[in-house]
Amino acid sequence: AQSVTQPDIHITVSEGASLELRCNYSYGATPYLFWYVQSPGQGLQLLLKYFSGDTLVQGIKGFEAEFKRSQSSFNLRKPSVHWSDAAEYFCAVGARGSGTYKYIFGTGTRLKVLA
Amino acid sequence: DTAVSQTPKYLVTQMGNDKSIKCEQNLGHDTMYWYKQDSKKFLKIMFSYNNKELIINETVPNRFSPKSPDKAHLNLHINSLELGDSAVYFCASSQDSAPNEQFFGPGTRLTVL
Repeated sequence: AQSVTQPDIHITVSEGASLELRCNYSYGATPYLFWYVQSPGQGLQLLLKYFSGDTLVQGIKGFEAEFKRSQSSFNLRKPSVHWSDAAEYFCAVGARGSGTYKYIFGTGTRLKVLA
Repeated sequence: DTAVSQTPKYLVTQMGNDKSIKCEQNLGHDTMYWYKQDSKKFLKIMFSYNNKELIINETVPNRFSPKSPDKAHLNLHINSLELGDSAVYFCASSQDSAPNEQFFGPGTRLTVL
């Protein structure tokens, strides 16, 4: 069965520090991978996506993610975190079901940024 | 102009009542979704419509009935509300049913007392 695991429920970093959020997926075929961010009281916004090609993808707000097929991972990184990055981050995989695709989300990682 | 809008933003109601949540998108997308986010922030798909046709129907109690009057609207009606229905419900849309970016509404926080 398809699944997405985000091992870290909470992460706290200092402003200006680097960040890596982990995501592992389980899916038999080529995955369509996404990272979304959810600010408090808001809907989700796409940060970046990977479908094929270069395994290092760039997204909005200075985020990037690297797809590693051998590790079934799609970790999100940012070299220098800003206080406004404090939010909930969700990794998702687009998986083919019965004739169509559906999206399976991880349980999220809450990022706290210390001033 | 809001891309995906939901009404109401908050909904507080008693057990056993029937309620509806409305969703509209002005992006010209073909596909719309309903998700449920529980208190632990777990986001799970409930339904998806493509061009007004139901294409995803997850294991959801039949008290939940989606209705898509046209491509731009996907409403969610819930009968006989239960305590466990309390959650945040998100509507989303994407260009079509192929894997792509989804645009999410702001959510509707449903509280069942």
